[in-house]
Amino acid sequence: GENVEQHPSTLSVQEGDSAVIKCTYSDSASNYFPWYKQELGKRPQLIIDIRSNVGEKKDQRIAVTLNKTAKHFSLHITETQPEDSAVYFCAANAGGTSYGKLTFGQGTILTVHP
Amino acid sequence: NAGVTQTPKFRVLKTGQSMTLLCAQDMNHEYMYWYRQDPGMGLRLIHYSVGEGTTAKGEVPDGYNVSRLKKQNFLLGLESAAPSQTSVYFCASSYNGGTYEQYFGPGTRLTVT
Repeated sequence: GENVEQHPSTLSVQEGDSAVIKCTYSDSASNYFPWYKQELGKRPQLIIDIRSNVGEKKDQRIAVTLNKTAKHFSLHITETQPEDSAVYFCAANAGGTSYGKLTFGQGTILTVHP
Repeated sequence: NAGVTQTPKFRVLKTGQSMTLLCAQDMNHEYMYWYRQDPGMGLRLIHYSVGEGTTAKGEVPDGYNVSRLKKQNFLLGLESAAPSQTSVYFCASSYNGGTYEQYFGPGTRLTVT
């Protein structure tokens, strides 16, 4: 089955700096890679996703890049703000099916210091 | 439009007791999922459903059963709770499988003593 590894497990930055979180996956048939943000005690919420037919996607201060050859994808947050502090999860779908079965990474605790 | 809701929000069980967690969605989504979240392990898929009347096993199905009698509801059952099932349980739904966004419910925190 799919295996997703996420690094780092914790990340501490100063407000205004950039943050980068990286994930690798094992199933070459995976074709959907979402990123979720989870604040303490809350539900995971999708912040950005990318499909395998594109290499990069941006949404304001957030961007995701995908390298299918190397089987890794990354989340980039620029001009970080204290409200970006949360746990971030990457995920990959079980490619070759239409069931949307996601395998999640272990999560990255991002802390943005004012 | 409430989205995805879960009942109950919190529950404490004794080992061997049974319970059912209810997930409901009002977005007319075909696909529904149950995950558990444990510290340092992300979310792991327990069971999922691709439509009314269907269920299938995910990554960690042992000790759980599910039913999808109505399109809007997905039930997760624990027949004989064990301390290893102490976790936060999240339900999610999506319009379709594959590459569609999954919307999560608020979660149920379950403690088994």
